[in-house]
Amino acid sequence: NAGVTQTPKFQVLKTGQSMTLQCAQDMNHEYMSWYRQDPGMGLRLIHYSVGAGITDQGEVPNGYNVSRSTTEDFPLRLLSAAPSQTSVYFCASRRGQGLAGANVLTFGAGSRLTVL
Amino acid sequence: AQSVTQLDSQVPVFEEAPVELRCNYSSSVSVYLFWYVQYPNQGLQLLLKYLSGSTLVESINGFEAEFNKSQTSFHLRKPSVHISDTAEYFCAVSLVSSSNTGKLIFGQGTTLQVKP
Repeated sequence: NAGVTQTPKFQVLKTGQSMTLQCAQDMNHEYMSWYRQDPGMGLRLIHYSVGAGITDQGEVPNGYNVSRSTTEDFPLRLLSAAPSQTSVYFCASRRGQGLAGANVLTFGAGSRLTVL
Repeated sequence: AQSVTQLDSQVPVFEEAPVELRCNYSSSVSVYLFWYVQYPNQGLQLLLKYLSGSTLVESINGFEAEFNKSQTSFHLRKPSVHISDTAEYFCAVSLVSSSNTGKLIFGQGTTLQVKP
């Protein structure tokens, strides 16, 4: 089925380790983004991209890197994992431009990361 | 800066009873408004949205929300809930002026617990 695919679904890291969360969409969406979800805090935007080769920071970008070399893929890299990065991460993409497509995000199923 | 406040973190309710999940936002400029739902162990799905026009919007599964500009609210209601409505509900806003960036600001979430 078409949609947003995230891998891995679960990951345990030790402090200081690095890893990449993968996100791929097959809907030809121009906009892609990463959120983290923490109890009582809702979802907070980490990074986003409005198209291939273009990325920008969201609300909580520190400790994370992104790149967008293709329309389909938007990986999120943790350079040196910290316990504060223990969270559930969601990738989301958006169709269209203008009013009709305004921010109707399609979310992946999430990646649960634990940093010890 | 914009913000979203969901006034209840948990709402327990019996099956077939009515429910209201409250959402207030703060913004000095025009916004689009959304409700997303997250079923257990899944990503978020769009429930309904207000972009323009009628201030009362409805979803296909019986939920409705009313945009009240004077009270800066977008409360979600359902006249009779089902066990299957048990989920976490997120209110979100985006600025009309920056809708092309796809940035959403989420509330903290409200867990709806429907009891038999």
